Amino acid sequence: AQTVTQSQPEMSVQEAETVTLSCTYDTSESDYYLFWYKQPPSRQMILVIRQEAYKQQNATENRFSVNFQKAAKSFSLKISDSQLGDAAMYFCAYRSPGTASKLTFGTGTRLQVTL
Amino acid sequence: DAGITQSPRHKVTETGTPVTLRCHQTENHRYMYWYRQDPGHGLRLIHYSYGVKDTDKGEVSDGYSVSRSKTEDFLLTLESATSSQTSVYFCAISGGPLGEQYFGPGTRLTVT
Repeated sequence: AQTVTQSQPEMSVQEAETVTLSCTYDTSESDYYLFWYKQPPSRQMILVIRQEAYKQQNATENRFSVNFQKAAKSFSLKISDSQLGDAAMYFCAYRSPGTASKLTFGTGTRLQVTL
Repeated sequence: DAGITQSPRHKVTETGTPVTLRCHQTENHRYMYWYRQDPGHGLRLIHYSYGVKDTDKGEVSDGYSVSRSKTEDFLLTLESATSSQTSVYFCAISGGPLGEQYFGPGTRLTVT
């Protein structure tokens, strides 16, 4: 079974600075999908960014980008120009193809944004 | 907004009582999921459905059952609630080009 590891339980960043959240995963598959979700205090799970393993280009969504290193099985999330509204739990998730789209989640990183 | 609602949003119940949580979607998605979220564990899959009357177990299915009699509704039942089932429960649908999931607002369940 695939596992997803987020080794940073908590991170802190100053407003307007850049922060990188780490995610590693274990798989023997060559094609798969990776996601980052944000969970603010409202508890709602919000999709931040998605990446297909076959695509070499790193995904970007506005201030959010990923550094996808397939050989290293690493999928880190970079948040640029951090804002107070970025404070949340962030979860990395893995999906195998053809598995009813089931997701395996990491344990999360709590991001604090300070003034 | 993926059109997913969950009811109730909060519930307190006693050990040994049955509990049913409801997930409702408005966009006719085939796949639906139930997760539980606990500190230090992230989200873990309880059960999922790939169509009406078609369901399967996830990694933490013991003590839970599900039913899907209509495309739009997916029910999660705790036959006899235990304190270890105190958690936040999320329903999700799979609706994106990469199979990404979209989540309901969650239900906080407390078993006393």
